[in-house]
Amino acid sequence: DTGVSQDPRHKITKRGQNVTFRCDPISEHNRLYWYRQTLGQGPEFLTYFQNEAQLEKSRLLSDRFSAERPKGSFSTLEIQRTEQGDSAMYLCASSLATDRYNYGYTFGSGTRLTVV
Amino acid sequence: EDQVTQSPEALRLQEGESSSLNCSYTVSGLRGLFWYRQDPGKGPEFLFTLYSAGEEKEKERLKATLTKKESFLHITAPKPEDSATYLCAVRPINNDMRFGAGTRLTVKP
Repeated sequence: DTGVSQDPRHKITKRGQNVTFRCDPISEHNRLYWYRQTLGQGPEFLTYFQNEAQLEKSRLLSDRFSAERPKGSFSTLEIQRTEQGDSAMYLCASSLATDRYNYGYTFGSGTRLTVV
Repeated sequence: EDQVTQSPEALRLQEGESSSLNCSYTVSGLRGLFWYRQDPGKGPEFLFTLYSAGEEKEKERLKATLTKKESFLHITAPKPEDSATYLCAVRPINNDMRFGAGTRLTVKP
């Protein structure tokens, strides 16, 4: 297992188009997270899954964003009708969480989205 | 409201010049405080987790400490390869991880 993989690394799209990103987590990890990061800022939480269940979504996540994690393995993040404000780095992370501890997240290298 | 504030925003050091980065936080119950390193164009890389006040963790030239209100990342005799953005994050009891904006560290040879 080589860590968290994200695809594509870069995506340029025209405003109004739909885009979909994929994340493959570390196989032993039961939690998967999506974050968004803009220049000069820390990552901003979007949503997370425990196995296949989506347990939390940020209030900042508009209805144009949807995430899935079928079968509790890989995850996809789709953005519909993209806007220029959606331009950012989209980071995926996974972790092993127990009732008592949530170990440090392992992040992927991210997908950089540019909406023109 | 859970908040994380990091200072300074940017720090420039000469090689070998030790210093500290600060992370101040307010949370409704802390489940863990995390430090990450992020290189340009890459995802954050996990460094440390601290769970309770008084705890310390070390890794090579880095040492993280935790009090009830803040955490410090001490860098001893830094090298140019330590240049990166250092992110602090907290995991509150009733929320998922919240990140600070980071400290951008530059170490000049």
